[in-house]
Amino acid sequence: QQKVQQSPESLSVPEGGMASFNCTSSDRNFQYFWWYRQHSGEGPKALMSIFSDGDKKEGRFTAHLNKASLHVSLHIRDSQPSDSALYFCAASEPTDKVVFGTGTRLQVSP
Amino acid sequence: GGIITQTPKFLIGQEGQKLTLKCQQNFNHDTMYWYRQDSGKGLRLIYYSITENDLQKGDLSEGYDASREKKSSFSLTVTSAQKNEMAVFLCASSIKGLSNERLFFGHGTKLSVL
Repeated sequence: QQKVQQSPESLSVPEGGMASFNCTSSDRNFQYFWWYRQHSGEGPKALMSIFSDGDKKEGRFTAHLNKASLHVSLHIRDSQPSDSALYFCAASEPTDKVVFGTGTRLQVSP
Repeated sequence: GGIITQTPKFLIGQEGQKLTLKCQQNFNHDTMYWYRQDSGKGLRLIYYSITENDLQKGDLSEGYDASREKKSSFSLTVTSAQKNEMAVFLCASSIKGLSNERLFFGHGTKLSVL
């Protein structure tokens, strides 16, 4: 069973639009959440972390965490073609290694 | 800043062959990781190492060996390549290996087995 589920599998938004990603975990012990982005031919790069309930904003990126519902989301406003990539949610317990979701592929069309 | 260098970028092997992938980091990080990336399955942990000469098995260690002879390098061996296997192997590092730390990844080695 996949401990970290991501939806949708793929997403297409117009340039300037809002892209939204969802991530649900099945483990109530997960405390730390990260979003990673992987462009084609490269390794994943960390975008942002969120460890507390609520919203966290960094530029065009906003993450939201609700530990009670085991749900974390990422929103990108004013999406650019350079945002086209594979986005991973990653979660970890305080004393264990990180678990990655299966990813959401974003395509931003000019 | 630092960098993680993986070699080779592409690796083509024969069924049953033993294949070795290499990874070097200049971050001076303590912990290094090997992940396997298959389409639609995310990243799965094969091995990790919290310090020189340490090895810890991940969820996918069967069929693999690893070696951490220096702090800066971590190698992975596919002990017997499986026919038609195709995957990307990603090396990563983090400062101490704590669960709330970000991971830094290399660009990956793409494996194809004929």
